[in-house]
Parts: sequence; structure tokens; C-alpha cells
Amino acid sequence: AQTVTQSQPEMSVQEAETVTLSCTYDTSESDYYLFWYKQPPSRQMILVIRQEAYKQQNATENRFSVNFQKAAKSFSLKISDSQLGDAAMYFCAYQRGNFNKFYFGSGTKLNVKP
Amino acid sequence: DAGVIQSPRHEVTEMGQEVTLRCKPISGHDYLFWYRQTMMRGLELLIYFNNNVPIDDSGMPEDRFSAKMPNASFSTLKIQPSEPRDSAVYFCASTRDILFLTFGAGSRLTVL
Repeated sequence: AQTVTQSQPEMSVQEAETVTLSCTYDTSESDYYLFWYKQPPSRQMILVIRQEAYKQQNATENRFSVNFQKAAKSFSLKISDSQLGDAAMYFCAYQRGNFNKFYFGSGTKLNVKP
Repeated sequence: DAGVIQSPRHEVTEMGQEVTLRCKPISGHDYLFWYRQTMMRGLELLIYFNNNVPIDDSGMPEDRFSAKMPNASFSTLKIQPSEPRDSAVYFCASTRDILFLTFGAGSRLTVL
């Protein structure tokens, strides 16, 4: 069974600093996709970044980047130059290629201190 | 595009009442998912549709829950009768080609 684990229930970062959120997953598949979603207090789920497992290059979206370690089944999210608006719950998600279910981790609450 | 539209945003009802949550997916998206979010269990997939056909409803908690998708632009999730343990935020999400999910704003249900 596919599982996604986020071991950090809550984290804090100083504004303008860098923070890394951890995610590990369990799968025997070689073709899959990984995602980070952000859920601010408005509770809208927003896609932050997406990574295809077959790509070795780590995905990057502006201040957001991932460290994808396929052998270790690790998919961490790095937020650089943290901003107050980054404060939210962050969910890691897994989707097996050609299979329609998305599996979500339990989330990490990120606090950003001014 | 207006995104995935859910209604109502908030619903407060009494135990035993019927609850209907509604979702309009993004036009052209052929997959629609219903998720439930609680503090205890996180995000749980309840059911998903492909081209209006239910594909996997193994996450539906029990017979009190039902979901329909009569056409490509509308889906409902119904709970009858509702119970306090059904209190949660219910999300609808849609996608095309399973690239990534686009979520609605969610419907917060409180059953007293």
C-alpha cells in the first residue's frame, strides 16, 4: 500500500530565512508523481510544486524547490526567503503513474515569524 | 476559469438531517474526486469519478454516504442521516489527464 509520511507536525521559521519540510513515502512502483500542496487558513488547497519520479532534476518554482531522493523515497520541500504569506499547512502527496488515486500525508503546519 | 466551485461553504445541521454538498468541476476536467478532511484522519479520499462514472468508492464510510455525477459539470455528495462524527471539511477536486488536482474551497460541515 502507498503511504505518505510527514514526520514534522509543526515547524517555525523566521521571515526571510529558509526552511525545509520533510516527506517520505512508501511504494514499490517506479512510475509515480509527487506533489506539495499548501493550505492557508482560507483552507483552499493550492498546488505548490510537482515532481515526476522519472526526472532526476529537482523541480523548482520560484522560492520553492524540492530535494527528491528516489532511492531513499524522500521528497522534501525547501522554502527560501520565507514570507509571512507562506504560513500554512503543507501536504505532501503521492500519485502512482496511470493510477488515479492521490495519497496525502498528515501535513506540516508552518509558522512564519516576523 | 472560475476553478472548482463548491457549495455551501458552511453547513450546520442537526443529527439525523440530510446533507447535500455540491461541486462544479473545471470545464474539461474528466476526473472528479471527493475528499474529507478531519484533524484525526487528515485528507481521506471518499470517491472519484471518471467521465461521470464512479470508479472507486471504497473510501465512502458507510451506506449513509452517497455520491452522484449526473453530468460533466455537476456532482453531489449526500449524507443521510447525518451524524456528529460526519463533521469535517469536504473537498471536491478535479483534474484532466491526472496531472494534478485542483481543489475547491471546501464545504465545512458541522453536525450537532
